[in-house]
Amino acid sequence: DTGVSQDPRHKITKRGQNVTFRCDPISEHNRLYWYRQTLGQGPEFLTYFQNEAQLEKSRLLSDRFSAERPKGSFSTLEIQRTEQGDSAMYLCASSPGQYQPQHFGDGTRLSIL
Amino acid sequence: QKEVEQNSGPLSVPEGAIASLNCTYSDRGSQSFFWYRQYSGKSPELIMSIYSNGDKEDGRFTAQLNKASQYVSLLIRDSQPSDSATYLCAGQGGSEKLVFGKGTKLTVNP
Repeated sequence: DTGVSQDPRHKITKRGQNVTFRCDPISEHNRLYWYRQTLGQGPEFLTYFQNEAQLEKSRLLSDRFSAERPKGSFSTLEIQRTEQGDSAMYLCASSPGQYQPQHFGDGTRLSIL
Repeated sequence: QKEVEQNSGPLSVPEGAIASLNCTYSDRGSQSFFWYRQYSGKSPELIMSIYSNGDKEDGRFTAQLNKASQYVSLLIRDSQPSDSATYLCAGQGGSEKLVFGKGTKLTVNP
């Protein structure tokens, strides 16, 4: 059983650039979640999908952030006009159903120069 | 603001001892609780899930839930140096999002 896959593992970019991350969930998991984690903190929820429907978005998700899951399989998270404060580990998780355990991918570490 | 509180530690125990990690939560609507282990620079790894009051055991790990006291704990028996990591407690209520504590850093000394 392949785990949650995230790409890229690391991204370094200049302030103001746009970045896009991809997440492939565990096969047949219909729930997909995005979290952000900074040093010394627990992961913070950003958004989640049930199949292709985006069901909840955090207030943390400013209008510079957008997420999609067009066919109910993989998901992308885009950050436009990146800022220093966007530097973090972006984690994707998936689960097979409502209130089932969420399994995390290895994350994408974003560094803004 | 729904919060999950953990003692940030660090917690240090000798090899072979029992490590006790604690967590409290503010949202009485929380129904599901999870413990994750996170090694430095790595992503969270699910260890235990618990949904009802009482104890749940899995190998060297025991999770305890007391909804009346809004308290969750994780016991690690026969602690090993490989258990040294940050342990994250997470709650889940009406929303499917996980609300995490800041984590407790555990060091097991050989």
